[in-house]
Amino acid sequence: IAGITQAPTSQILAAGRRMTLRCTQDMRHNAMYWYRQDLGLGLRLIHYSNTAGTTGKGEVPDGYSVSRANTDDFPLTLASAVPSQTSVYFCASRTSIGGTEAFFGQGTRLTVV
Amino acid sequence: GQNIDQPTEMTATEGAIVQINCTYQTSGFNGLFWYQQHAGEAPTFLSYNVLDGLEEKGRFSSFLSRSKGYSYLLLKELQMKDSASYLCAMDSNYQLIWGAGTKLIIKP
Repeated sequence: IAGITQAPTSQILAAGRRMTLRCTQDMRHNAMYWYRQDLGLGLRLIHYSNTAGTTGKGEVPDGYSVSRANTDDFPLTLASAVPSQTSVYFCASRTSIGGTEAFFGQGTRLTVV
Repeated sequence: GQNIDQPTEMTATEGAIVQINCTYQTSGFNGLFWYQQHAGEAPTFLSYNVLDGLEEKGRFSSFLSRSKGYSYLLLKELQMKDSASYLCAMDSNYQLIWGAGTKLIIKP
């Protein structure tokens, strides 16, 4: 692994199903983020974690949960998917919580039908 | 409150110069980022401005005025590969707040 990796890259999911999007980084970054990107709306923050063991809610957290058991992994779970969660999801990380660039995973394109 | 705004779309000609503006409002401002995002790909870092003034990196330059809540990205000698969306983001209260992005279309 080099950098930040997301899995899967794309998924079609039936409404009501549970789904976990995986995110792993090998840069030992403290801060990690989950965003969704929808046409015309830009990147919107779902949840974040400033360091292992802590998480916080972003702008659009409803219907999503996260955990940060260790520095490297930051999974995003949709407990019961709905069509409005159809989006492109990006995981990002950075060294500290301010003043440094964020690195992005390649994205997960999720379609809920 | 917090707000960040940039034009939705711009068109420019290959070889020309284009300036993409970004205005913002926030408290606890730390700095401003510019990212490039090609269609279907992840955003990639271009620049980070903390202090007022112009920072140049090859064909790309970024400017910041903290007092005016204003930044711009200047792209010179445009190439077709510069066709992409350009995202500005403010580093505010230890979070990144993103603009919706400016889609730059380059014509031959």
